[in-house]
Amino acid sequence: KQEVTQIPAALSVPEGENLVLNCSFTDSAIYNLQWFRQDPGKGLTSLLLIQSSQREQTSGRLNASLDKSSGRSTLYIAASQPGDSATYLCAVRNSGNTPLVFGKGTRLSVIA
Amino acid sequence: DTGVSQNPRHKITKRGQNVTFRCDPISEHNRLYWYRQTLGQGPEFLTYFQNEAQLEKSRLLSDRFSAERPKGSFSTLEIQRTEQGDSAMYLCASSWRPDRSGNEKLFFGSGTQLSVL
Repeated sequence: KQEVTQIPAALSVPEGENLVLNCSFTDSAIYNLQWFRQDPGKGLTSLLLIQSSQREQTSGRLNASLDKSSGRSTLYIAASQPGDSATYLCAVRNSGNTPLVFGKGTRLSVIA
Repeated sequence: DTGVSQNPRHKITKRGQNVTFRCDPISEHNRLYWYRQTLGQGPEFLTYFQNEAQLEKSRLLSDRFSAERPKGSFSTLEIQRTEQGDSAMYLCASSWRPDRSGNEKLFFGSGTQLSVL
């Protein structure tokens, strides 16, 4: 059974700092991995999707990397802003027809 | 608004009552997912549809839970004889079936927050 772990559970940083969020998964035979953002009381917004054959994806100030063999992914946020404050969730899929399995998320606070 | 729409946004009910939630996916998306999320946890998969066919159900989905997607459009999730442990945010997401590259981007609704008293 696939399990996804995210560390740390919560993180507080001053504005402008670069930061890294970590995600690990127990079954390395994944199909793809996604990072999502969730604001309090809201649904999820997809940030980046990495296929199993890819090593990284970039969107603006966000960069996600994937090391499938070690069962790890990182989400790098450059030059953090208060508007980045949210919970960031990592999710993996083991095949095209299996549902996403989510971690518990990292709650990020960027202090102005 | 062309996003995923969920109604109601909030539902308060007494233990033992039945509740029904509705999800309207993005037009022409053929997949629809239901997830449940409790405070401080990630979303947990409940069930999903491809068109009108329910392809998978989680063991979390007890016989008190039923989901339908008639005609492959909107979906409803019904909980019968609600229990306090059913209190959670119920999230719906829709997508296109993955393409050959494996891309399947899920679009989530804002959820229905259920409180069972």
